[in-house]
Amino acid sequence: SQQGEEDPQALSIQEGENATMNCSYKTSINNLQWYRQNSGRGLVHLILIRSNEREKHSGRLRVTLDTSKKSSSLLITASRAADTASYFCATDRGGANNLFFGTGTRLTVIP
Amino acid sequence: NAGVTQTPKFQVLKTGQSMTLQCAQDMNHEYMSWYRQDPGMGLRLIHYSVGAGITDQGEVPNGYNVSRSTTEDFPLRLLSAAPSQTSVYFCASRGMSNTGELFFGEGSRLTVL
Repeated sequence: SQQGEEDPQALSIQEGENATMNCSYKTSINNLQWYRQNSGRGLVHLILIRSNEREKHSGRLRVTLDTSKKSSSLLITASRAADTASYFCATDRGGANNLFFGTGTRLTVIP
Repeated sequence: NAGVTQTPKFQVLKTGQSMTLQCAQDMNHEYMSWYRQDPGMGLRLIHYSVGAGITDQGEVPNGYNVSRSTTEDFPLRLLSAAPSQTSVYFCASRGMSNTGELFFGEGSRLTVL
């Protein structure tokens, strides 16, 4: 079964708007990561947040983590057409080796 | 830098045929893994390896074999292909001592008829 569920499954916004995607997971974690996938390509790492962190920023990305609710959100500010992609959260289920991915949010940014 | 290289990019098989998906990385990463990606299912872990000579099963290992004879290579073998194995396959790697960021190949799209 999938570790994470992203919400919404699909999101369409105008260029310049902010995009927020949510991820819920089921088990305890050491860290949570967000990845981006352009159509027909491999996944690319965006940002990692540790279980003892509540918020992290990287450029136009802001990630929050609420371990009590087992949820995370990814905010992309001032979106661009080039941000059009699928976004996945992934967790380690508290273990050291593997990452387990959610089902993804497909983001479309309209120019 | 090449990163993670997967071959072939596309493959069509008939039911019952066998084949090997190749994966190579040039980053001296100890950890390597294979995922399959299906619509609406996200990525599911098939097999993984934490070093040469060490492999283990992931979430969906049935119908697949792996081996890790070198640090660089981690091939995935389909023993007797079934239509249910139609999917996009991704190889990923990372170092054991880093923060856990995975580096992905570009994927291999497999169709089993």
